[in-house]
Amino acid sequence: SAVISQKPSRDICQRGTSLTIQCQVDSQVTMMFWYRQQPGQSLTLIATANQGSEATYESGFVIDKFPISRPNLTFSTLTVSNMSPEDSSIYLCSVVAWESYEQYFGPGTRLTVT
Amino acid sequence: AQSVAQPEDQVNVAEGNPLTVKCTYSVSGNPYLFWYVQYPNRGLQFLLKYITGDNLVKGSYGFEAEFNKSQTSFHLKKPSALVSDSALYFCAVRDIGQAGTALIFGKGTTLSVSS
Repeated sequence: SAVISQKPSRDICQRGTSLTIQCQVDSQVTMMFWYRQQPGQSLTLIATANQGSEATYESGFVIDKFPISRPNLTFSTLTVSNMSPEDSSIYLCSVVAWESYEQYFGPGTRLTVT
Repeated sequence: AQSVAQPEDQVNVAEGNPLTVKCTYSVSGNPYLFWYVQYPNRGLQFLLKYITGDNLVKGSYGFEAEFNKSQTSFHLKKPSALVSDSALYFCAVRDIGQAGTALIFGKGTTLSVSS
């Protein structure tokens, strides 16, 4: 299994500012994923972050709005840029365990934009 | 493209009665299927998975799910519901041919168990 931590756990931000969310995994993983869960909604994949290459973004998400860093095999950051109230969501970091095919999730970062 | 459908936004059941939360999927190849549960203000918790083998899989907290390839379904079941089972349940899928890729989630079903 993998244990994932995220910082911050929650934040309240002003419109137009940016927030960087950190994700730390207790083991080395090839791919890390970032999801968004808007209030009362399902999880939507934002991007896949591979170490040593550019992140791959899903339709509807762009690098300028959600830049991602992946400096090593245990860490990634997601920045939510130029925030608006529509960005208010829970942002989750996730990894896949190759031996079990299970996907593990961090506790999430609850972002409120005012 | 992969997709998951959870046709019910909410399922209501009395404590002690059996429960079913429905899920159907669409993948180009064979599926890996998962159920997760999310309690209020808590993270996602893994319940069970189908990778291969027996179509009936058993998971945490007494839950089980049956993989039906002909109906492309993976319904979650429990013989006797508890009030503490009340939560948001997500079905998720990944194509076997894309083993390392991210899961695609259904919209979620809220289970409400009354005492």
